[in-house]
Amino acid sequence: RKEVEQDPGPFNVPEGATVAFNCTYSNSASQSFFWYRQDCRKEPKLLMSVYSSGNEDGRFTAQLNRASQYISLLIRDSKLSDSATYLCVVNIAGNTPLVFGKGTRLSVIA
Amino acid sequence: DVKVTQSSRYLVKRTGEKVFLECVQDMDHENMFWYRQDPGLGLRLIYFSYDVKMKEKGDIPEGYSVSREKKERFSLILESASTNQTSMYLCASSPRGAGGYEQYFGPGTRLTVT
Repeated sequence: RKEVEQDPGPFNVPEGATVAFNCTYSNSASQSFFWYRQDCRKEPKLLMSVYSSGNEDGRFTAQLNRASQYISLLIRDSKLSDSATYLCVVNIAGNTPLVFGKGTRLSVIA
Repeated sequence: DVKVTQSSRYLVKRTGEKVFLECVQDMDHENMFWYRQDPGLGLRLIYFSYDVKMKEKGDIPEGYSVSREKKERFSLILESASTNQTSMYLCASSPRGAGGYEQYFGPGTRLTVT
């Protein structure tokens, strides 16, 4: 069973649309959760951490459901510049390597 | 501004050659990582290190080795390059700590083995 699973997409949405990505993780003891963004031919970069109470950063909202082992990312009012691959990332325990999902590709179309 | 640098952006090597990929970070991070990224397979962890002269195997260590003689430098070595090692190689670093910390990635080295 894969540790972190995401729908690979691609999601093709028009500018201004709202789009949601989901992610599930297999280890119920997982401690920390993140969304990373990777632009084409670039390295991954942290987009936002995901907190139990949910958190928002501008047009981006992240949610965590520990009972269902489920993480989500909502992007409102999509911009062309949001086109990228979004990686769901989990820290299983302590000072251990982060576990990356394979990513969901988003294309925002004019 | 945090920075992870990798020695080459593009590299072409022949089958059987010994290949060195260098990574340097200037953030005084304890942890360093080497990944490869292939279409459809995502990021796969090759090796990581929590301290100088320490190394741990990741998910796909076969055909690779690493060296960490200084805190800021983590080298990935392909002892005898093969065509199935053609890939994008990404180095990352993070501070040590419980609960997971942001990993900072270098720009990547696209290696082609012919």
